[in-house]
Amino acid sequence: GDSVTQMEGPVTLSEEAFLTINCTYTATGYPSLFWYVQYPGEGLQLLLKATKADDKGSNKGFEATYRKETTSFHLEKGSVQVSDSAVYFCALSDPASGGSYIPTFGRGTSLIVHP
Amino acid sequence: DAGITQSPRHKVTETGTPVTLRCHQTENHRYMYWYRQDPGHGLRLIHYSYGVKDTDKGEVSDGYSVSRSKTEDFLLTLESATSSQTSVYFCATRDRVQDNSPLHFGNGTRLTVT
Repeated sequence: GDSVTQMEGPVTLSEEAFLTINCTYTATGYPSLFWYVQYPGEGLQLLLKATKADDKGSNKGFEATYRKETTSFHLEKGSVQVSDSAVYFCALSDPASGGSYIPTFGRGTSLIVHP
Repeated sequence: DAGITQSPRHKVTETGTPVTLRCHQTENHRYMYWYRQDPGHGLRLIHYSYGVKDTDKGEVSDGYSVSRSKTEDFLLTLESATSSQTSVYFCATRDRVQDNSPLHFGNGTRLTVT
């Protein structure tokens, strides 16, 4: 079946540091890939997505590139802020998983940014 | 986001009692999902719905049932609550699936079973 593997956290950084959160996946078909962010006390919200190989999703200074050859979708940001402290989830949606395209989520990576 | 309201936001209940969580959406999204979130497990799908009265099981459906009698409401029932069902429960909706549109999440219900 499909699966998503994320680096374990927490990731602890100082403000303005460079961020990378690794995500790799296995899928039966040709999935779309997503990053969601969860701020404390809230539900998940979409951060960015990419639907085909070499697409780059971007939002709020975050970027991720769909790498089919390495089955990866790593999240990056050049300069993190304290307000970026949250839990980040990598996810995929695979058309080969059946008509309902049930999303598969990684376990989440907690990011803590210190001033 | 997508007008999703979960109720209650917090609940404490005793082992063996039935509990119903409600998810209400105002966006007329066809697809609705119930997840639970636990440390070390991330999000796990309990049940989902692909239309009124059309539901199916997810990976952790034992001990849970759902109902969807109207597009806007998706109820999750714990038939006889156990301590292992202490968790944060999230409802999510989705407008369509064919173009892989994203999920929209509610703010969750924190359930404690004592």
